[in-house]
Amino acid sequence: EPEVTQTPSHQVTQMGQEVILRCVPISNHLYFYWYRQILGQKVEFLVSFYNNEISEKSEIFDDQFSVERPDGSNFTLKIRSTKLEDSAMYFCASNIQTQETQYFGPGTRLLVL
Amino acid sequence: KNQVEQSPQSLIILEGKNCTLQCNYTVSPFSNLRWYKQDTGRGPVSLTIMTFSENTKSNGRYTATLDADTKQSSLHITASQLSDSASYICVVSANFGNEKLTFGTGTRLTIIP
Repeated sequence: EPEVTQTPSHQVTQMGQEVILRCVPISNHLYFYWYRQILGQKVEFLVSFYNNEISEKSEIFDDQFSVERPDGSNFTLKIRSTKLEDSAMYFCASNIQTQETQYFGPGTRLLVL
Repeated sequence: KNQVEQSPQSLIILEGKNCTLQCNYTVSPFSNLRWYKQDTGRGPVSLTIMTFSENTKSNGRYTATLDADTKQSSLHITASQLSDSASYICVVSANFGNEKLTFGTGTRLTIIP
C-alpha cells in the first residue's frame, strides 16, 4: 500500500541553524501539507500546498518557514533559523483531493538545542 | 475561533470491553469530521471521515457518529484489543475551499489485559 515517507526520522540542530525536512507524498496525490506537534500537545496545521504554490498557511508559518516541491516527488519544509520552540514532531500529509482523507507520514522529530 | 474539544482526556479499560470517546466542535463552515488513531511517536492514521449528511460510519470495530445540529461526534470501539492502545484524535475540516484541519487534543486510550 502506498505511503507517505519522511526523512530524516530524527534531527538535532543548534539554535539559529537551517534545517530542511523532506517528505515524499503518495505519488498520485495532488495536495500536500505540513503539520507540527509539540510534545504532549495537539497537532497543528502549518501549511497546505497545491499546484506548486501555498494555498493556505497558519499564523505559525512565519517568514522563517518555507516549502518547496523541488521535483516531481519531494516536498520539503525549510526552517531558516531554528529557535528552541521549533522543537517538535513535524508531519507531512497528502491527499488526492481536498476534503478527502489525508495520509500522514511517520514524522520527523526535530530537537533544537 | 475554530475549536475541537475531546473527552475524556484519558481512559483505561480492560481488554474486550467497549468504550465511547466524545468530541465537540465549533468549526464553521463545517465540511467534514474525521477520527484518527495515533500511536505514540507515529503519524495519525485515518479511521473514519463523515460529512454533515452522514450520522454514522463504521470501520471494523470502530463506529463514529455525528450530530451536526449539536456539533457533537463520538467514536465507539467494540471488543477492545491491546493494539487499540493509542491516542484518538477528532479532526474537523472547515469548508474554506482550501482544506485546513482543526485537531482536538485527543483521548489517550489504554487497554489493559
